[in-house]
Amino acid sequence: GENVEQHPSTLSVQEGDSAVIKCTYSDSASNYFPWYKQELGKRPQLIIDIRSNVGEKKDQRIAVTLNKTAKHFSLHITETQPEDSAVYFCAAIHNNAGNMLTFGGGTRLMVKP
Amino acid sequence: DSGVTQTPKHLITATGQRVTLRCSPRSGDLSVYWYQQSLDQGLQFLIHYYNGEERAKGNILERFSAQQFPDLHSELNLSSLELGDSALYFCASSSGTNSYNEQFFGPGTRLTVL
Repeated sequence: GENVEQHPSTLSVQEGDSAVIKCTYSDSASNYFPWYKQELGKRPQLIIDIRSNVGEKKDQRIAVTLNKTAKHFSLHITETQPEDSAVYFCAAIHNNAGNMLTFGGGTRLMVKP
Repeated sequence: DSGVTQTPKHLITATGQRVTLRCSPRSGDLSVYWYQQSLDQGLQFLIHYYNGEERAKGNILERFSAQQFPDLHSELNLSSLELGDSALYFCASSSGTNSYNEQFFGPGTRLTVL
């Protein structure tokens, strides 16, 4: 089955700096890669996603890149703010696996004011 | 608010007991997914139902079972509970079975097994 690895597990940045979280996946059949933000004790919320036929997608301060050949995808957050502090999860999914999301281990992002 | 509801919010029970977690999907969503989030295992897929039929199973224990009813709500039954079953259980829903359909997560049920 699919295996998703995520790095780093914790990331501390100063407000205004950029943050990058990286993930790798194992199943070349995966075709959709969402990123979720989870605040303490709350539900995961989708913040951005990318399909396998797209190399990059941007939404304001958040961008995601995908390298299908290397099976890598990354989340980039620019001009970080204290409210960006949360746990971020990458995930991979493909139709043939019953739409189950396979999550990475999560990255705890701390933005220091 | 995602539109997905889960009850109860918290559940405290003893080892060996059986509990039922309930999920109501967003209006119009036919797919329901269950995920388990624990400190040591992270977020793990348990099972997917679409319009009443099981579509996929993850690493779901034999002590766990689920079903989706004609009104599309779903229940996750956990039996012979062990300490290690303590976790946050999320339900998610999506409109269809396409992998691109966004999964909307409910607020979760926190299960504590003592």
